[in-house]
Amino acid sequence: QQPVQSPQAVILREGEDAVINCSSSKALYSVHWYRQKHGEAPVFLMILLKGGEQKGHEKISASFNEKKQQSSLYLTASQLSYSGTYFCGTATNTDKLIFGTGTRLQVFP
Amino acid sequence: EAGVTQFPSHSVIEKGQTVTLRCDPISGHDNLYWYRRVMGKEIKFLLHFVKESKQDESGMPNNRFLAERTGGTYSTLKVQPAELEDSGVYFCASSQDLGRDYGYTFGSGTRLTVV
Repeated sequence: QQPVQSPQAVILREGEDAVINCSSSKALYSVHWYRQKHGEAPVFLMILLKGGEQKGHEKISASFNEKKQQSSLYLTASQLSYSGTYFCGTATNTDKLIFGTGTRLQVFP
Repeated sequence: EAGVTQFPSHSVIEKGQTVTLRCDPISGHDNLYWYRRVMGKEIKFLLHFVKESKQDESGMPNNRFLAERTGGTYSTLKVQPAELEDSGVYFCASSQDLGRDYGYTFGSGTRLTVV
């Protein structure tokens, strides 16, 4: 079942903060976050594993509440380059990721 | 290292025609995934290869879609015959180990338009 992301869209000024949430009805093994810019490949941001381990390529923070099957992505001091669509992907007992509907983030000067 | 390569980047075909999409994963990545994004909606899973074997093809819409992975290297996704609802962006991703543990590397996608 598809995870639910909120909000659907966010508009920010440079330097402002944002939080994107991802919620699943299933017990999760891991939660992934990706960012996609228009016409480009989705880019891996972070993975949060059951048990608390985190792996990320960028200085973006996230949390994973295993009891509630929820994850949040925290974008602080946003930059223009943060604009794009953010997807959470959830994994259960299989290797495939199920992605949410995405959150469109726009950062203006 | 080279990333995940997909081609063509764009394809416009008529309803009823056949189209073949190709994905070259990162060298050494045993796990290869196909996904599709339709009309700005979610990125939907199609199937997962481990080397040349189909590990999970539960997301394939119907028997008009055929995926292969020759020798565990590149993969092709053929749509025959194409229908209007097949339009969308088809993404390929690869992972050296289990993607759920390490994340995916995506290709730039093939934008398929069926007219």
